[in-house]
Amino acid sequence: SQTIHQWPATLVQPVGSPLSLECTVEGTSNPNLYWYRQAAGRGLQLLFYSVGIGQISSEVPQNLSASRPQDRQFILSSKKLLLSDSGFYLCAWSMGRSTRAFFGQGTRLTVV
Amino acid sequence: GENVEQHPSTLSVQEGDSAVIKCTYSDSASNYFPWYKQELGKRPQLIIDIRSNVGEKKDQRIAVTLNKTAKHFSLHITETQPEDSAVYFCAASSNTGNQFYFGTGTSLTVIP
Repeated sequence: SQTIHQWPATLVQPVGSPLSLECTVEGTSNPNLYWYRQAAGRGLQLLFYSVGIGQISSEVPQNLSASRPQDRQFILSSKKLLLSDSGFYLCAWSMGRSTRAFFGQGTRLTVV
Repeated sequence: GENVEQHPSTLSVQEGDSAVIKCTYSDSASNYFPWYKQELGKRPQLIIDIRSNVGEKKDQRIAVTLNKTAKHFSLHITETQPEDSAVYFCAASSNTGNQFYFGTGTSLTVIP
């Protein structure tokens, strides 16, 4: 069966520091991968999605970037965190268009 | 792009009563509509989904209905229990794109 791993679960980082969140999927090949952010008490904002290695689509402009160095690995990065980057970051995967999507456990990021 | 609207934003019901959450979408190409339940601090979990070639789907106390003509779909929870308390998100996607478009969420509280 397929599983998705996301780490770390929580992270406290100072303003201006770099960020790297990692997500991996097991048990499937060539999944669609997604990064979402959820501010406290708010909805799910799509940040990036990827349909294959090296293919990244950005939904909103910000100081975040994403990379997919391997088929089942998706990384969210920032060179310099802002206070507004605080939130709950969720990785998700699906097997293509119009198919079920499953979320990782999430990373709660607090920028101080 | 797709625009998904979700109502109400908050909903309180007595235990045993029914709860209904409604979503509308704008893109007639959308053909897949999942619903997610998110408990506090946890990841969204898929609870039920429906495709555009089906008008209704039921899974025990949960059902989803879809009206393609009116571009709206609804989640129905019958015989609500306290453990149904959570935030529920609807979403839409199509086979012409790779994104999932989420509604803004409904915070459901079931009062014992």
